[in-house]
Amino acid sequence: DAGVIQSPRHEVTEMGQEVTLRCKPISGHDYLFWYRQTMMRGLELLIYFNNNVPIDDSGMPEDRFSAKMPNASFSTLKIQPSEPRDSAVYFCASRPGGDTGELFFGEGSRLTVL
Amino acid sequence: GQNIDQPTEMTATEGAIVQINCTYQTSGFNGLFWYQQHAGEAPTFLSYNVLDGLEEKGRFSSFLSRSKGYSYLLLKELQMKDSASYLCAVMDSNYQLIWGAGTKLIIKP
Repeated sequence: DAGVIQSPRHEVTEMGQEVTLRCKPISGHDYLFWYRQTMMRGLELLIYFNNNVPIDDSGMPEDRFSAKMPNASFSTLKIQPSEPRDSAVYFCASRPGGDTGELFFGEGSRLTVL
Repeated sequence: GQNIDQPTEMTATEGAIVQINCTYQTSGFNGLFWYQQHAGEAPTFLSYNVLDGLEEKGRFSSFLSRSKGYSYLLLKELQMKDSASYLCAVMDSNYQLIWGAGTKLIIKP
């Protein structure tokens, strides 16, 4: 398996623009997670899905952030409008079903908002 | 509240042994994970402890004491490639991962 695939790897945009980050989880994994990582705040869980259904989005910073998972092999995280404070590395991770188990992370999308 | 504490940074010498500690206070406990993250890369899984005791995996070992809310990651025969951040994460009663801020390990020749 190719692992969790994220795109783009790097994105530089201007404040106010829409940003869409994409993720393809490992085939057969039931859970998909979106994380944000910064030096100041470390790894923060934004939202996670179980079998394509959003379970907990309490970590989504505000209404400017939205996430979808239209099918088992694809998810998006959208920021509209983007702000400089959104600059971070956004990781997608997946894991198989069951209560526990290791997370498999994608390579991350490094976002810079000018 | 829920809290994971680990040192911000540690320095060790190539070939030596280093122990990275993690203490936690969480709502319930369903296991503790250690992840390694090299600069600019994604976290990768190292170990999982759910019962007390030591789990050994090659040069890396992880220890857990649930009664003390304490774990450590032990790295032996340190190599330069072990320079990375090491993240401690606890799965709480809702099976949610609570992450520590990570320990940056610097290996000197």
